[in-house]
Amino acid sequence: AQSVSQHNHHVILSEAASLELGCNYSYGGTVNLFWYVQYPGQHLQLLLKYFSGDPLVKGIKGFEAEFIKSKFSFNLRKPSVQWSDTAEYFCAVNKAFGNEKLTFGTGTRLTIIP
Amino acid sequence: DGGITQSPKYLFRKEGQNVTLSCEQNLNHDAMYWYRQDPGQGLRLIYYSQIVNDFQKGDIAEGYSVSREKKESFPLTVTSAQKNPTAFYLCASSMTWGSGTEAFFGQGTRLTVV
Repeated sequence: AQSVSQHNHHVILSEAASLELGCNYSYGGTVNLFWYVQYPGQHLQLLLKYFSGDPLVKGIKGFEAEFIKSKFSFNLRKPSVQWSDTAEYFCAVNKAFGNEKLTFGTGTRLTIIP
Repeated sequence: DGGITQSPKYLFRKEGQNVTLSCEQNLNHDAMYWYRQDPGQGLRLIYYSQIVNDFQKGDIAEGYSVSREKKESFPLTVTSAQKNPTAFYLCASSMTWGSGTEAFFGQGTRLTVV
């Protein structure tokens, strides 16, 4: 079965710092990859997704993620964070073909200090 | 506005009682899902439904039941057999089941059993 690892459980940064959140998955075949964000008191929403093509994916609010197949990774990045980026971030993966559920990582809580 | 509505937002129940969580979507999506979110464990799939009148067990279905009599509705019942029911429950839907489909989430129901 596939699994997703997010090694950073809680990250604390100052405003304007650069961000990178790690995501690694275990499945060896072709995958679809997602980052979801959950702002305080709000519903989970899609930040960005990778299906195929350019491994560098741009999302909303200045976020991007790079798919590195050889490393089974899909790390989330932002060059300069804002206080409003304080949220919980979830990486998710499913197989690219066939009926397969979405598997989520355990999440990373990001706190931005003004 | 199109979206997913979960009600109520907070729910308190006595131990041993069954409780039903509501989930309604007006996105005309075929697939619907129930997840449980616990601190440090990410989202775990309880049940999913690929299409109306059909549903399947997810990873942690024990102590839960669902129905899918209408396309827009997917209620979850937490039964007295669920050993640790206090959690945050998220309902989601997607246009279709499986690969590459983006899931849309409701705002969640926080269930506390006392």
